[in-house]
Amino acid sequence: AQSVTQLDSQVPVFEEAPVELRCNYSSSVSVYLFWYVQYPNQGLQLLLKYLSGSTLVKGINGFEAEFNKSQTSFHLRKPSVHISDTAEYFCAVTPDRGSTLGRLYFGRGTQLTVWP
Amino acid sequence: ETGVTQSPTHLIKTRGQQVTLRCSSQSGHNTVSWYQQALGQGPQFIFQYYREEENGRGNFPPRFSGLQFPNYSSELNVNALELDDSALYLCASSLGSTGLWETQYFGPGTRLLVL
Repeated sequence: AQSVTQLDSQVPVFEEAPVELRCNYSSSVSVYLFWYVQYPNQGLQLLLKYLSGSTLVKGINGFEAEFNKSQTSFHLRKPSVHISDTAEYFCAVTPDRGSTLGRLYFGRGTQLTVWP
Repeated sequence: ETGVTQSPTHLIKTRGQQVTLRCSSQSGHNTVSWYQQALGQGPQFIFQYYREEENGRGNFPPRFSGLQFPNYSSELNVNALELDDSALYLCASSLGSTGLWETQYFGPGTRLLVL
């Protein structure tokens, strides 16, 4: 079984400051990892994904994430945030094989609020 | 390349009624997944369809059912609505046959309120 824990439900930060949104997962098999962003009253947009290879993944809008297999983490970072980054961020995993291949398991989300 | 669209955007039903939600997949995508996102929660997997066949189901009762059509549009049907069914319902499409299934593209969702 897979589970995802997003350690912070809310992260307030000032504009141009760095931010890290934390994500830990639990799985009995290898997984692919994702970060999605959800703006108010909208669906989910893929920010970035880790499938294999380099553990540092770069995504859209200046975000990046680092996969740490030993710590089962996939934290999302941005060196300088903008007001427009205010949104809900979801970490998700899916097994890379087996009967649940292709199912996304999501965390409960982290609300990032950027203040001027 | 067209995106994923869903209809209606909002819906109000009363307990015990039935509802049908619709999704039009991204062009060429043969896999569609449906998720339920309750208020303040992350999305939960309901089921997935690949080439018109159910290809996996989450922990949802049988009153949640689906269909996928040859043109890759799909429906989510919920019978005997309960108050807890109030949520945002998201569909996501992907290319299931070419190894690109893992990139799922989400629609804007249908917000269902059950009174």
